[in-house]
Amino acid sequence: KAGVTQTPRYLIKTRGQQVTLSCSPISGHRSVSWYQQTPGQGLQFLFEYFSETQRNKGNFPGRFSGRQFSNSRSEMNVSTLELGDSALYLCASSLVSSGGIAKNIQYFGAGTRLSVL
Amino acid sequence: ELKVEQNPLFLSMQEGKNYTIYCNYSTTSDRLYWYRQDPGKSLESLFVLLSNGAVKQEGRLMASLDTKARLSTLHITAAVHDLSATYFCAVDIRAGGTSYGKLTFGQGTILTVHP
Repeated sequence: KAGVTQTPRYLIKTRGQQVTLSCSPISGHRSVSWYQQTPGQGLQFLFEYFSETQRNKGNFPGRFSGRQFSNSRSEMNVSTLELGDSALYLCASSLVSSGGIAKNIQYFGAGTRLSVL
Repeated sequence: ELKVEQNPLFLSMQEGKNYTIYCNYSTTSDRLYWYRQDPGKSLESLFVLLSNGAVKQEGRLMASLDTKARLSTLHITAAVHDLSATYFCAVDIRAGGTSYGKLTFGQGTILTVHP
């Protein structure tokens, strides 16, 4: 069974640009969560999607947005990039029961390393 | 706001020694996870602990959970170099009986095992 796939693996952008990151969850997993990892702040939750709906959101500015498609694939977008957005962005998927409850652990992708110059 | 604190943050061990990493959290939670991260790599799931008193073991690692004390431990037995990595604990807050995909992570413990 294929794991969580994130593309691209590396990105270099300049301040003010925007970027879109992609995440394909494990087959059958309907919940996708996004995290930002930096040396200073550690791992921080961005948002979670299930059935194309954002159910939970972390404390990030509105420049960070996401969406989920009907096949559970997810994208996150960061607009007007700032130097502080340089980070490893991790996507995780988990199995969700028919009641919408995440029953299993979150499986993480390899991440997209974003550098903002 | 949920806070998850690990200690120590840095751990340098000799091969063959035992040590314990501690994970304290501030709010009642149903589930606690341990992950491992190698440099430049993603997070690998090690354990999920679902109830008070839960104990899980895999190889030289054993994790336990005390929900009353809001404490989890990751015990390393007879450390080997291959265990060198960063270890994270993470807590799952369940709001109203549902879990909306948010894990709150500790700061991570950087473990280095020396020959």
